[in-house]
Amino acid sequence: GDSVTQMEGPVTLSEEAFLTINCTYTATGYPSLFWYVQYPGEGLQLLLKATKADDKGSNKGFEATYRKETTSFHLEKGSVQVSDSAVYFCALGTSGGSNYKLTFGKGTLLTVNP
Amino acid sequence: NAGVMQNPRHLVRRRGQEARLRCSPMKGHSHVYWYRQLPEEGLKFMVYLQKENIIDESGMPKERFSAEFPKEGPSILRIQQVVRGDSAAYFCASKQGGQNYNEQFFGPGTRLTVL
Repeated sequence: GDSVTQMEGPVTLSEEAFLTINCTYTATGYPSLFWYVQYPGEGLQLLLKATKADDKGSNKGFEATYRKETTSFHLEKGSVQVSDSAVYFCALGTSGGSNYKLTFGKGTLLTVNP
Repeated sequence: NAGVMQNPRHLVRRRGQEARLRCSPMKGHSHVYWYRQLPEEGLKFMVYLQKENIIDESGMPKERFSAEFPKEGPSILRIQQVVRGDSAAYFCASKQGGQNYNEQFFGPGTRLTVL
């Protein structure tokens, strides 16, 4: 079945450091790929997405490129801020029957210190 | 412009009791998903509902769990005779449309603790 494996946390960085959170996936067909972010006490918010191979999703300085050859969708940001502290989830989406289903990784806790 | 609302935010039950979790989707959304997040795990799909219909319940445990999304009112996830292993965060998400991708908007979750 479909699965997502992402880098285990926690990840602790200093402000302005470079961030990479690795994500790889297994899926049949041609999934879309997503990164969600969860701030403390809140629900998940869509951060960025890519719907086909070689697409790059970007938002708020974060980027991820859909790499079909390596089945990866690594999240990067050049200079993190304290406000980026959150849990980040990689997910894939597939259509099956009458449902469009999301499959999530376990999440990576990022803490950014001033 | 309220988002997805879930209540209660925290729920404590003793083994054998019933838990009822509520989800009010965003205005204009007629599709609801329920997910469960066990400790140290990612979110796992449970059930997908449209108003008055269960579309996909392939992620629901076969026993004790049920879900509904009536014509009026919130979606309800019901867990009967709870056990300690049911302790988890339960997230609801809503979206506008059907089969094709529409962004799912998530609620803040209900954290269930079974004593």
